[in-house]
Parts: sequence; C-alpha cells; structure tokens
Amino acid sequence: GQQLNQSPQSMFIQEGEDVSMNCTSSSIFNTWLWYKQDPGEGPVLLIALYKAGELTSNGRLTAQFGITRKDSFLNISASIPSDVGIYFCAGLPQGAQKLVFGQGTRLTINP
Amino acid sequence: GAVVSQHPSWVICKSGTSVKIECRSLDFQATTMFWYRQFPKQSLMLMATSNEGSKATYEQGVEKDKFLINHASLTLSTLTVTSAHPEDSSFYICSAFGTKGNNEQFFGPGTRLTVL
Repeated sequence: GQQLNQSPQSMFIQEGEDVSMNCTSSSIFNTWLWYKQDPGEGPVLLIALYKAGELTSNGRLTAQFGITRKDSFLNISASIPSDVGIYFCAGLPQGAQKLVFGQGTRLTINP
Repeated sequence: GAVVSQHPSWVICKSGTSVKIECRSLDFQATTMFWYRQFPKQSLMLMATSNEGSKATYEQGVEKDKFLINHASLTLSTLTVTSAHPEDSSFYICSAFGTKGNNEQFFGPGTRLTVL
C-alpha cells in the first residue's frame, strides 16, 4: 500500500530555533496536510496544500507542496514551548478519501 | 475549522464487555466518517470508513464483527468494541469529511479505551 516517509522521527531543539520536517512518498498525492497532535488529543489541522508548488503559511508555520507531488515540508520558525507535540503529515491520493499518514515527528523543546 | 466531538473521552471497562464510542459532527454534515486507532508513540491506523446509510468498509486485518460501526445519520457515527480484551486498549479517533472545508478531514478529540 501507499506509504509516507516522514523525517525526522524526533527532534530536540532549543527554544527560539527553527524546525524543519518533511514527508516523501513513492506515489503522487493531490493534497498534503500537516497536523499537530498534543498528548491525549486528536490531530489538529495546521496547513492544507492543494496544488503542486504551493507555499502556504500559518503564523510561524510554513509548508510547501512539492513540485513532483511526492513530497512536502513543514517549517516552524522561532519555536516556542507550546510547539511541543507530534507533527503528522498526511496525503490524499487522487480520487481517494482515505488519508495516508506519515509516522510522525516528535518535537521536544528545551527552554 | 469544523467541530467534531467524541464521547466518551475516556472509558475503562472489564474484559468481555462492549463499549460504544460516539463521533458527532457538530456544525456540518459528515457524508463520510473514518475511525482510527492509535497505539502509544505510533501513527494513526485507519480501521474503517463509514458512509452515511451504508455499511462500513473495513481495512485489512480489522475484524468487522468485533468493531461494529454504524453511521445512521449525517452527524453521528458510532464504533462499538464488542467483547473487549486488554489488547483492544488504545486511543480511538474519528474524523469526518463532508460539507465543510476543501477535501479536509476534521478530527475528533479521541477516546482513550482501557480494558482491564
């Protein structure tokens, strides 16, 4: 089945640093989504990308839909303690409703 | 974003009992709802896709007789874990897709099931 490779699996950074994570796929996706999940809660949508090459920002977060439609990255600038959590990428294949999830990136921030 | 609720938020039950989890879309109509299971430190694993008024489609390896799904209305889907066992303990999350957003799934807050 389709898989998304998300990296890195975990990150330990200092407050104020920038963060970058990415997802790659062996197949094409029509939509890329980035979610954040806090402990004991459901995922919350951060950014949705619908077109190849699209670059979208949401506050300190920026995500891009790769030109090849097989990858996406998420950047977080000037990290703050509340950015701690697990970030998931998810892709929606063409004509499909079922999301394919990456393995997640666990972000830990040292104050 | 859209609001999806789940009830209960957590439940503890004895082995052998059945547990029902509700997923509601509060401000839009959900033509499709998805049920996921998430084990600690792992990603979300899709269990089944539920379309309003029709039978759910289960992913490979998920027992349909054990995880009963009902999507009786455009705002409610239920997941019943029948004859629960300790290995069914997990975090169950629903998501809804429908008349809101642009190909977006909106996730519920999850239900933590612990089977003793």
